Amino acid sequence: DAGVIQSPRHEVTEMGQEVTLRCKPISGHNSLFWYRQTMMRGLELLIYFNNNVPIDDSGMPEDRFSAKMPNASFSTLKIQPSEPRDSAVYFCASSPLAGGGNEQFFGPGTRLTVL
Amino acid sequence: AQSVTQPDIHITVSEGASLELRCNYSYGATPYLFWYVQSPGQGLQLLLKYFSGDTLVQGIKGFEAEFKRSQSSFNLRKPSVHWSDAAEYFCVLSGGYNKLIFGAGTRLAVHP
Repeated sequence: DAGVIQSPRHEVTEMGQEVTLRCKPISGHNSLFWYRQTMMRGLELLIYFNNNVPIDDSGMPEDRFSAKMPNASFSTLKIQPSEPRDSAVYFCASSPLAGGGNEQFFGPGTRLTVL
Repeated sequence: AQSVTQPDIHITVSEGASLELRCNYSYGATPYLFWYVQSPGQGLQLLLKYFSGDTLVQGIKGFEAEFKRSQSSFNLRKPSVHWSDAAEYFCVLSGGYNKLIFGAGTRLAVHP
């Protein structure tokens, strides 16, 4: 299996631009997660999908952030408009089952820099 | 409140030395606990996990962790560290559905 695939791996953009991050979970996994990692705040869960349905988006920082999962094999995280404080590494993870205690498999991350 | 504390931000050990990374958690019931490792520029990889049963858990790469309910701890250990173990280590709590709560991480440096 190829694991969780994220694209792009690096993104540099200017403040005010729209940014779209993409994720392909492991085939057969029912749960998908978006995380953000910064030096100041560590790893934070942004949003969690189960069977393509958003279950918990309480971690989405602002309305500028939105996430979709149109099908079981694809998800996007969009930031519009982007701001310098959005600079971070964004990870996507998937899990085969819902429920506590299930291992999450992480992608390599997208390093976003907003100038 | 659910939380994970890793009291050591940085640890440096010599290659071949033993290692113990500390982790304390706060949770109202028996938690699911994990240790993940993140190599520079990489995603996170699961080292081991504890759900129930035997409190000493074996993981990959020669790591083990011991769950101690009385101390609310889940410390990670390795008897002999290799240079390739240099990375950041995260203690993680899963208290509910799939929501993971991460500790701040401990960055391990290995001296030759």
